Amino acid sequence: EAQVTQNPRYLITVTGKKLTVTCSQNMNHEYMSWYRQDPGLGLRQIYYSMNVEVTDKGDVPEGYKVSRKEKRNFPLILESPSPNQTSLYFCASSLFGQGKNEQYFGPGTRLTVT
Amino acid sequence: EDQVTQSPEALRLQEGESSSLNCSYTVSGLRGLFWYRQDPGKGPEFLFTLYSAGEEKEKERLKATLTKKESFLHITAPKPEDSATYLCAVQEDDYKLSFGAGTTVTVRA
Repeated sequence: EAQVTQNPRYLITVTGKKLTVTCSQNMNHEYMSWYRQDPGLGLRQIYYSMNVEVTDKGDVPEGYKVSRKEKRNFPLILESPSPNQTSLYFCASSLFGQGKNEQYFGPGTRLTVT
Repeated sequence: EDQVTQSPEALRLQEGESSSLNCSYTVSGLRGLFWYRQDPGKGPEFLFTLYSAGEEKEKERLKATLTKKESFLHITAPKPEDSATYLCAVQEDDYKLSFGAGTTVTVRA
């Protein structure tokens, strides 16, 4: 089954404790992206990657890191989480190119930083 | 400055009462405009991609249209299962994707 998986689905952590949220897709997609979703603000793009070893900042990259060492994986790293990073996070992937850009989203990771 | 603005924020419809959702955008180089449906607690689900002004796409009771400054999602004779939040997103030349805040549609039987 074609899918985007995220782990963990729920995470409660404390300020300053480094964490990683994993994202994996099995569709051989070139493009992968991370978003956060907050009430009233909608989905905001954190980082995106157009292929292995190619990453770019989205609208809200501060406090986050990503890496794309393999085509299928795109982990999101919070080196020193703060309470304002409490949010619902989505990973997404798509093919890359005209006519192919519809994104498939993972189920989401709900992060709480206390 | 918001690049993607959706209106209204919320829409309550009676079953069978057709209506339209609006998505206006201000990006300079539009690579594509996307519509998604999101159910509570789930990831967005892809509906349509529109690439150029004048383009239209249809799927069941939904029809999306695109002009140079806005897109409309028309819901014809909605059913309760059409209740969801509908998200609009635009992709620019640098492949960055910007979403609107969404329109939450509630269809009463």
